[in-house]
Amino acid sequence: AQTVTQSQPEMSVQEAETVTLSCTYDTSESDYYLFWYKQPPSRQMILVIRQEAYKQQNATENRFSVNFQKAAKSFSLKISDSQLGDAAMYFCAYRSRTHNNNDMRFGAGTRLTVKP
Amino acid sequence: NAGVMQNPRHLVRRRGQEARLRCSPMKGHSHVYWYRQLPEEGLKFMVYLQKENIIDESGMPKERFSAEFPKEGPSILRIQQVVRGDSAAYFCASSLLYQQGANEKLFFGSGTQLSVL
Repeated sequence: AQTVTQSQPEMSVQEAETVTLSCTYDTSESDYYLFWYKQPPSRQMILVIRQEAYKQQNATENRFSVNFQKAAKSFSLKISDSQLGDAAMYFCAYRSRTHNNNDMRFGAGTRLTVKP
Repeated sequence: NAGVMQNPRHLVRRRGQEARLRCSPMKGHSHVYWYRQLPEEGLKFMVYLQKENIIDESGMPKERFSAEFPKEGPSILRIQQVVRGDSAAYFCASSLLYQQGANEKLFFGSGTQLSVL
């Protein structure tokens, strides 16, 4: 079974600085998708960025980028120029590309604090 | 487009009562997913439904839990005879298409916080 591990329960960053959130996963599959979701205090789950495993190029969305290391099964999120609004829980998620797999697996989350 | 709407936002029940959680997917979406989030944990998949069909309920407890997505109206997650361990945030997500390639974007609601006294 696929598992997702986020080893940092909490992280903090100074406003305008850069922070990296770690995520590792365990799978025997070769084709899958990885996601980072943000959950602010409102509880709304917001998709931040996603990566297809077959793509070597790391995904980027404005200030958010990932470092995808397929061999190491690592998928870290880098937030540049951190803003106060970035403070939230961040969840890493894995989803198989298997036709019948409807189960998106989430990590336990990392709580990010942004200091002004 | 109002997004995925869940209600109530907070629900308090006593042990043994029934809890009914409602989810209205985004307009035009016919695929609904329910997830449960325990404190300080990630979301865990419970069930996937299309209109009038349960497609995958592999993450849902066999007893006391049921889900439906009728032709008309919201999807309902029903928990009978609630126990304290059912206390959690329950999230609904919807998508436009079957998640071919698993890349189809899921849109989440804001969740229902169930508290069992």
